[in-house]
Amino acid sequence: QQQVKQSPQSLIVQKGGISIINCAYENTAFDYFPWYQQFPGKGPALLIAIRPDVSEKKEGRFTISFNKSAKQFSLHIMDSQPGDSATYFCAASRGFKTIFGAGTRLFVKA
Amino acid sequence: GAVVSQHPSWVICKSGTSVKIECRSLDFQATTMFWYRQFPKQSLMLMATSNEGSKATYEQGVEKDKFLINHASLTLSTLTVTSAHPEDSSFYICSALRPGAGGDTQYFGPGTRLTVL
Repeated sequence: QQQVKQSPQSLIVQKGGISIINCAYENTAFDYFPWYQQFPGKGPALLIAIRPDVSEKKEGRFTISFNKSAKQFSLHIMDSQPGDSATYFCAASRGFKTIFGAGTRLFVKA
Repeated sequence: GAVVSQHPSWVICKSGTSVKIECRSLDFQATTMFWYRQFPKQSLMLMATSNEGSKATYEQGVEKDKFLINHASLTLSTLTVTSAHPEDSSFYICSALRPGAGGDTQYFGPGTRLTVL
């Protein structure tokens, strides 16, 4: 199976709160798991990515948690800011093949 | 991060005309580029994989005669929408695969909004 299931579809978080977006994949052959941030009318921008040999990766306020046995990974945005309001896509890939999640629209209330 | 550009950023054309969209990797060479289509509030739909010097690989359901892809150099891929119709109106996004020691990373262009009247 090639699906990547992403949840929630939309998320509203108070400024300063933690935003959590979850993804699950089925194909254990995937070896690269990026997260992309997309603002309206713009292309997706690589935010942070992880490979399955580590369980967590942190870059600034953004953290990926990876659970290989459960085939799940999540994005945590700490101290969420209104400027973080965007659509976030998780993805799973191997070689040239990348499968994207359906996206999560995040709105951070000021 | 790596920079991928697209041109034009938006285009309006009449039904029946052809439109060419350029995708350039500005600070790295990309043997592989991808073309996506995105409908409002939806995820990215891969249209084709473009390999430098060879024919593109199209996803199932994508008309190769309608969406012509050329990847003539390591920094440029073009998508030509031939005989465009209103249903081709969409947001087209390219990406380029940058090789790295830890693996390849996909970087996206800013997208091109196509409106066919």
